[in-house]
Amino acid sequence: DAKTTQPPSMDCAEGRAANLPCNHSTISGNEYVYWYRQIHSQGPQYIIHGLKNNETNEMASLIITEDRKSSTLILPHATLRDTAVYYCIVRGYNRDDKIIFGKGTRLHILP
Amino acid sequence: KAGVTQTPRYLIKTRGQQVTLSCSPISGHRSVSWYQQTPGQGLQFLFEYFSETQRNKGNFPGRFSGRQFSNSRSEMNVSTLELGDSALYLCASTTGRNGELFFGEGSRLTVL
Repeated sequence: DAKTTQPPSMDCAEGRAANLPCNHSTISGNEYVYWYRQIHSQGPQYIIHGLKNNETNEMASLIITEDRKSSTLILPHATLRDTAVYYCIVRGYNRDDKIIFGKGTRLHILP
Repeated sequence: KAGVTQTPRYLIKTRGQQVTLSCSPISGHRSVSWYQQTPGQGLQFLFEYFSETQRNKGNFPGRFSGRQFSNSRSEMNVSTLELGDSALYLCASTTGRNGELFFGEGSRLTVL
């Protein structure tokens, strides 16, 4: 079973910030939160990851709650090209655990 | 540098046949993992290899197997194909340092 839960779908207006939530209430201390997205018929693409601090890169920001039980991926200015399925996964640094993707969130960007 | 390369991209088989899929990781990456993606089940973990050793295996029957070679290239094999094996098979590689996965474009298998 997936260690994360995400809403199955979300809508966001083009140009607005898209905020995608993820719950990972059973995350352990050595597990990172990773976000990927998959545009139709392509392989998933890495977006960002973090342990406990908020992270930002050229694609997105990752906000992790203080208790680490949930996180939010923020796409600051969504475009139509951001329409995709977004996956949140947790994985330990030692990578002894299976890599489990949930069903993800299908993000629709509305023109 | 070149990304993860999967071959073949598309293939059609019939029930009972077997299939071998290939994955060439990014140069320098020693870990390769495989996934099956279907509309009903989503993205499911098959197995992971690191330095020619299987490190983890998902909940798939023994008909699904894999291996990794000394140059980190990996193959997966599915024997006695069933209709339900029709799927997109994805391979990902990583350096092993921070776990960031780099995915290939996948091999789309259709079983008739």
